[in-house]
Amino acid sequence: GNSVTQMEGPVTLSEEAFLTINCTYTATGYPSLFWYVQYPGEGLQLLLKATKADDKGSNKGFEATYRKETTSFHLEKGSVQVSDSAVYFCALRELTGGGNKLTFGTGTQLKVEL
Amino acid sequence: DAGVIQSPRHEVTEMGQEVTLRCKPISGHNSLFWYRQTMMRGLELLIYFNNNVPIDDSGMPEDRFSAKMPNASFSTLKIQPSEPRDSAVYFCASSFQLSGSSYEQYFGPGTRLTVT
Repeated sequence: GNSVTQMEGPVTLSEEAFLTINCTYTATGYPSLFWYVQYPGEGLQLLLKATKADDKGSNKGFEATYRKETTSFHLEKGSVQVSDSAVYFCALRELTGGGNKLTFGTGTQLKVEL
Repeated sequence: DAGVIQSPRHEVTEMGQEVTLRCKPISGHNSLFWYRQTMMRGLELLIYFNNNVPIDDSGMPEDRFSAKMPNASFSTLKIQPSEPRDSAVYFCASSFQLSGSSYEQYFGPGTRLTVT
């Protein structure tokens, strides 16, 4: 079946540090890949996505590249801010007949300190 | 757009009571998803509907859980009887699916359920 593996958190960084959160996946077909972010007390929000190999998704300074050869979709940001403190979820979507659902990783908590 | 609306935002109930969680998806969306989030198990998909029809309920933990979608603008998740291990945050999400291509899921703010 499909699965997503994320690095365990929490990840604690100083403001303006470089961020990498690793994500690898297992899927039988050619999934679309997503990063969602969850701020405290809120639901998940889509951060970025990529639908095919070598696509790069980007938003709010975050980037992730769909690497089919390594089955990875690592999240990066060059300079994090305190406001980026949240839980980040990697997810994949593989269409199944007539419907679709997301398979999520366990989430990685990011804490950014001044 | 109001986004996905869930009610109540918080629910505290005693073991054995019936609990009903409500969700209003984004207008025009035709897929609706119910998730449960706990520290131990993370985010789990319980059930999802497409055009008001349940497509996959394999994540529903047991017969105490049931979900309905009587029309395109309303869904309920019911737990009867509730147990302390049902304590979690329950999220509803919606999306628009058309002919094999799908759009992102939009999540509601969640209902935090505490069963004592």
